[in-house]
Amino acid sequence: GIQVEQSPPDLILQEGANSTLRCNFSDSVNNLQWFHQNPWGQLINLFYIPSGTKQNGRLSATTVATERYSLLYISSSQTTDSGVYFCAVFVYNQGGKLIFGQGTELSVKP
Amino acid sequence: DTGVSQNPRHKITKRGQNVTFRCDPISEHNRLYWYRQTLGQGPEFLTYFQNEAQLEKSRLLSDRFSAERPKGSFSTLEIQRTEQGDSAMYLCASSRPSGGPDTQYFGPGTRLTVL
Repeated sequence: GIQVEQSPPDLILQEGANSTLRCNFSDSVNNLQWFHQNPWGQLINLFYIPSGTKQNGRLSATTVATERYSLLYISSSQTTDSGVYFCAVFVYNQGGKLIFGQGTELSVKP
Repeated sequence: DTGVSQNPRHKITKRGQNVTFRCDPISEHNRLYWYRQTLGQGPEFLTYFQNEAQLEKSRLLSDRFSAERPKGSFSTLEIQRTEQGDSAMYLCASSRPSGGPDTQYFGPGTRLTVL
């Protein structure tokens, strides 16, 4: 089955710094989502981005489907950005499931 | 949309007991998914429904696990004879009918602790 790898596994930033999180996947996908998991475990949708670039405030994401990777950019980080960021991919011929990476744990220090 | 809701939010049980969790998807979402997440890992797929039909089950879903969605609305996940290895966060998600974006929206999860 398809493999999803995220890097780095952990990241510590000072408030105000920028960061880039990466998601590599091993095969063609029909859908890719980025999530932020807050300390209570809730998965919050950030982007639905099977290809191209999207922006939402301080966050933006780019997926290059032909090269099988996606990037999540966080600019001017805030302490509330702390948590775990997951990418997940969906492949029609592998059923209805999302396949998640292992996540990047981000800690933003004041 | 009121969002996906799950109950209970927390469940502590003793090994060998049965537990049941409920998920209410976003209204008009006909696809419903169950995932399990253990500490330090990403969520792993368990099963999914389109309307009332259970279309796929993961090998993670042993014989002790059963999921239902009798009327195509809410779903229940039952674990019989719980084991300590069942301790995890159980997440439910829903998505719109096919033909639209397959964005999955997740509920807050049910955290299960088996003593």
